[in-house]
Amino acid sequence: KNQVEQSPQSLIILEGKNCTLQCNYTVSPFSNLRWYKQDTGRGPVSLTIMTFSENTKSNGRYTATLDADTKQSSLHITASQLSDSASYICVVIDNNAGNMLTFGGGTRLMVKP
Amino acid sequence: GAGVSQSPSNKVTEKGKDVELRCDPISGHTALYWYRQSLGQGLEFLIYFQGNSAPDKSGLPSDRFSAERTGGSVSTLTIQRTQQEDSAVYLCASSAGPGVGELFFGEGSRLTVL
Repeated sequence: KNQVEQSPQSLIILEGKNCTLQCNYTVSPFSNLRWYKQDTGRGPVSLTIMTFSENTKSNGRYTATLDADTKQSSLHITASQLSDSASYICVVIDNNAGNMLTFGGGTRLMVKP
Repeated sequence: GAGVSQSPSNKVTEKGKDVELRCDPISGHTALYWYRQSLGQGLEFLIYFQGNSAPDKSGLPSDRFSAERTGGSVSTLTIQRTQQEDSAVYLCASSAGPGVGELFFGEGSRLTVL
């Protein structure tokens, strides 16, 4: 079964600090991998989309990396802000399953002042 | 509208009642998805519509769940004879399609079954 595993499940950091969230997947082949941010009580919002041939993509203070050989992706948040408190979801698009999206369970990040 | 719109935003119902949840996708988007998100859990795929093709219903958890999409636009997710385990946030998303392009989510409909 194709899976997307994220770690840690939750994380607390101080405002201004950096952090890195991990995503390991078994989906293969895949067309692209995405990171979404979901604020409490809101729908997910796209942060980055990477194809299998891309190694890194940035969106402001968010930088996603992808290693297709080890099937790992990470999301690095630089100089965290209180508004970064949210769940971060890794999603892999499965070519073999009609472009089915497989969602990770998310990492819940809390940024404290 | 500018984004995906879902209604109602909150619904409290009694066990055994039927509920309907509505999704208005972004105008022109041919692909529409329904997901369920239980408290603290990841998104669970329910159903996928793409243009005029037969929908992918493989994620519907039981025959109490059904969905339709009229005129290739608005979609309604119906849950019959609701159970307490149906309590969750139901999220709708749309994309320009075909293929999985940028996915835009609505704010969700929070269903509570008492």
